[in-house]
Amino acid sequence: GAVVSQHPSRVICKSGTSVKIECRSLDFQATTMFWYRQFPKQSLMLMATSNEGSKATYEQGVEKDKFLINHASLTLSTLTVTSAHPEDSSFYICSATGTSGASRGEQYFGPGTRLTVT
Amino acid sequence: DAKTTQPPSMDCAEGRAANLPCNHSTISGNEYVYWYRQIHSQGPQYIIHGLKNNETNEMASLIITEDRKSSTLILPHATLRDTAVYYCIVRVANTGNQFYFGTGTSLTVIP
Repeated sequence: GAVVSQHPSRVICKSGTSVKIECRSLDFQATTMFWYRQFPKQSLMLMATSNEGSKATYEQGVEKDKFLINHASLTLSTLTVTSAHPEDSSFYICSATGTSGASRGEQYFGPGTRLTVT
Repeated sequence: DAKTTQPPSMDCAEGRAANLPCNHSTISGNEYVYWYRQIHSQGPQYIIHGLKNNETNEMASLIITEDRKSSTLILPHATLRDTAVYYCIVRVANTGNQFYFGTGTSLTVIP
């Protein structure tokens, strides 16, 4: 089946620094990737939709200058949390949509990245 | 916005069937019902999806009412490893559209 990986799985950073999270589709090409954020005991909240080769579309209330998304290839999207603060501490999850075959149009989720800002 | 409503929590005895309900009264004719689950601190895991016919796979069965306004996910023999939050989502299939998650049902399987 289609596999999506995220790196790192956990990261701790100091307040004011930037953190980059990678999302990769390992065995399929993904024209579209999504980024979600999940706070403790809450549901997943969609942050943005990332299309390969174009600018990301952000959900209402998500600061595009703070959460930089790059989708430079059909297998990689990155989320950079700039000038991170403790309130950005959360579980970040990506998903990818396949372009062809059995994975076309279906969405596969990564294992998530736990970000802790101290 | 999420278009589904689910009970916030349920318990089920180990070895018994777990029946998780979901209401989606505003579902459109071309929208499928998807079920995912999320075990603590992991990414969501796909379970099953369907349009109007009942579906079954190795993990679960999906029963959709004739009017498609509600559905039930059935885990036939719940185990402790099935303890998770279960999300019911409606979406047009094969479009690459995003999922909007509701609050889900926290299922606890009790020994």
